[in-house]
Parts: sequence; C-alpha cells; structure tokens
Amino acid sequence: AQSVTQLGSHVSVSEGALVLLRCNYSSSVPPYLFWYVQYPNQGLQLLLKYTSAATLVKGINGFEAEFKKSETSFHLTKPSAHMSDAAEYFCAVTRREGGKLIFGQGTELSVKP
Amino acid sequence: NAGVTQTPKFQVLKTGQSMTLQCAQDMNHNSMYWYRQDPGMGLRLIYYSASEGTTDKGEVPNGYNVSRLNKREFSLRLESAAPSQTSVYFCASNHRGHSYEQYFGPGTRLTVT
Repeated sequence: AQSVTQLGSHVSVSEGALVLLRCNYSSSVPPYLFWYVQYPNQGLQLLLKYTSAATLVKGINGFEAEFKKSETSFHLTKPSAHMSDAAEYFCAVTRREGGKLIFGQGTELSVKP
Repeated sequence: NAGVTQTPKFQVLKTGQSMTLQCAQDMNHNSMYWYRQDPGMGLRLIYYSASEGTTDKGEVPNGYNVSRLNKREFSLRLESAAPSQTSVYFCASNHRGHSYEQYFGPGTRLTVT
C-alpha cells in the first residue's frame, strides 16, 4: 500500500529565509509524486510534479522538489520565502497505473515579516 | 474554461437531512473524484469514477453515494447526514494517462448540526 508522511504539521519561517517542507513516501512500485498548495478557503493548486523524468523538479512560484529514491523522499524547497507563500502544502503520491492520489496530512507554512 | 465547479459553496444541515453536492468539469477528463478534508488528516478519497458509467469506493465511503451522471458531472449524496460528516468536500478530475495530476474545485463547506 502507498502512504505519504509529511514531517511537521506547522512550519514557520521568516521572510527571505529558506523554506523546506518534508515529504516521505512509501510505494512498492515507481510512483508519481505531487506537491499541492491550498490558500485559505480555496481549492488545491498543483505546485509541481515528478513523473520519472528529471529528479529535480521545478514548479510555480519559485518552488522546487527533488525526488530521492534511496531516501524515499520528495522534499519541497524555496530559497527565499515570501509573505504570499503562507498556505497549507500537501504532498501526494499515486501509482502510475491508477489515478487515485494518496495525500499526506498537510503542512501549514507561516511566513513572518 | 471554468475548470472544476462545485455547488453549493456552503451548506448547513441538521442531523438526518439529505443533500446532494454537485460537481462539473469542462476539461473533457475521464476520471472524477470526491474527497473530504478534515484538520490534520489531509484529503481522504470518498468515491471515484475512473470513467463514465463506473464508480468505486475510496478510503471513507460509508454514509455517501455517488452518481456519474455523464462525462462532465459527478454528484455526491448524503442520504442521512451525521455530525461526523461535517467537513470540506472537494471534487477533482483528471485524464488518466496524462501524469495523473488532478484538478480541484473550490470546495463545499458542510456543517451538520
């Protein structure tokens, strides 16, 4: 069975600091991996995805994530946080042959001025 | 393109009442999904429809029914609402075979008293 673990339900950074949101997955088959962002009272928006091409994936708003098979990780980073990055972030995994997504618990990112 | 639309945006029900949440997508996707979002639990799949004419249970189907009315529309019905069904409900769609990223609606916030 597949699963996703996001370490830290809440992360707080200062504006301009590095953002690091952690995601570890378990999957018996090669996965597709996703990061979604949810702004308050909105739906989920795709930030980036890994689909077995490059292991370093660049997304929108300056975010990127690196797929590390040996560590079963897909951590999300951004070099310099902006106030507008404050939101909840979800990591998700799916099997390549099926469309169902398994989500992590979510990490709420706060950005301090 | 409106993407994925959901109605209503907000709803308050009394225990035992019934209601149907509506979802429609205009992206010609073949697969559609219903999730519920609860604090600290991420998104959990209630039901999904891999293609028109098929529906399958997800992780938390009890207390819900679904109908894939046509390729565009996928409704979720609560026959006898319970307080445990207080949640935010999201509909999503995708086209299987295209990296499996899902596109989400804005959500329906349901409170059952």
